[in-house]
Amino acid sequence: EPEVTQTPSHQVTQMGQEVILRCVPISNHLYFYWYRQILGQKVEFLVSFYNNEISEKSEIFDDQFSVERPDGSNFTLKIRSTKLEDSAMYFCASKGDRVGDEQFFGPGTRLTVL
Amino acid sequence: ELKVEQNPLFLSMQEGKNYTIYCNYSTTSDRLYWYRQDPGKSLESLFVLLSNGAVKQEGRLMASLDTKARLSTLHITAAVHDLSATYFCAVTNTDKLIFGTGTRLQVFP
Repeated sequence: EPEVTQTPSHQVTQMGQEVILRCVPISNHLYFYWYRQILGQKVEFLVSFYNNEISEKSEIFDDQFSVERPDGSNFTLKIRSTKLEDSAMYFCASKGDRVGDEQFFGPGTRLTVL
Repeated sequence: ELKVEQNPLFLSMQEGKNYTIYCNYSTTSDRLYWYRQDPGKSLESLFVLLSNGAVKQEGRLMASLDTKARLSTLHITAAVHDLSATYFCAVTNTDKLIFGTGTRLQVFP
């Protein structure tokens, strides 16, 4: 069964460093998303992406964040200068283009900012 | 702004007992999801509810939707330890998912 994959599973970084989180969506999906979950809290929407551009972004998704689909398979989230409060689990999701299609979530990347 | 609230936030229940988790949302949405999350893991989709009065069941879990009341319930029947997890409801808003606060369920013998 096709699935969304994410790498790395855990990333530790120093405050102020740049990180890139990688996702490989399901191959025929066209809609891509990033969500984050701070430990013990709810899952929060960050950004949606379709047709090589951002469809929608939340207030959390400020200028420090960017997304890219550099090739036909990867979808990346870049945090330019990490802050302690960026420590969270980051989930990628993808969805097909049929009405009613459901988002499928990846296993997540745990980001720890020291 | 669409808000999604769940209660209770924590639920400790004995095996064999029944209980219901509630999910309220503040504005209309065209679909509601229930997810299960084990510690440190991703989100596992349990149910998708599309219309008023929809009811879905899988094993000991049953979900229902009342769109007029903007309320969904997740009912647990005869709980077993394997159901221990955090349960989230989520509603669609434009294309994104807005998640509830989550209910952490612990089932003990």
